[in-house]
Amino acid sequence: GNSVTQMEGPVTLSEEAFLTINCTYTATGYPSLFWYVQYPGEGLQLLLKATKADDKGSNKGFEATYRKETTSFHLEKGSVQVSDSAVYFCALTPFGNEKLTFGTGTRLTIIP
Amino acid sequence: GAVVSQHPSWVICKSGTSVKIECRSLDFQATTMFWYRQFPKQSLMLMATSNEGSKATYEQGVEKDKFLINHASLTLSTLTVTSAHPEDSSFYICSAWRLAGAGSTDTQYFGPGTRLTVL
Repeated sequence: GNSVTQMEGPVTLSEEAFLTINCTYTATGYPSLFWYVQYPGEGLQLLLKATKADDKGSNKGFEATYRKETTSFHLEKGSVQVSDSAVYFCALTPFGNEKLTFGTGTRLTIIP
Repeated sequence: GAVVSQHPSWVICKSGTSVKIECRSLDFQATTMFWYRQFPKQSLMLMATSNEGSKATYEQGVEKDKFLINHASLTLSTLTVTSAHPEDSSFYICSAWRLAGAGSTDTQYFGPGTRLTVL
């Protein structure tokens, strides 16, 4: 079956540090890959996505590249801000299907 | 962006009672909504797919008689936890599937979640 594995948190960084949150997946065929973010007290929001190999999703300074050879979709940001503190979820949908499979989430805390 | 609300945001009930959770898409119509369950420090687990005007589709291992889903309109889906027990305590999250319009892509929008505690 499909599965998503992401690095366990919590992750604590200083402001302006470089961020990487690892995500790897197992799926048949060609899934679409997503990063969702959940800010305190709010619902999950789509942060970025990629639908085919070598695609790069980007939004709000965050980037992730769909690497089929390593089945990975690592989230990166060059300089994090306090406002980036949230829980980040990596997820996938199988090709032709809208059902999301989520990773366990990584709590990120940025300290000034 | 699109907004999905859930009500209540938290609920505490006695064992054996039933609890209804509402999920509403506030500014778009959703023929498909999803219900998830999240345990502490664990992933969101898809429970069922709610389809407007038809029966919900449940994931393997989810008791359909325990978790009743009704999608009576294009903006409202409800999840009723019947005869709740302490092991049903969890964080329940819904999402609504918004079909793409011109120049956009299909996207799932999530509600803020409902925390259920069964005593």
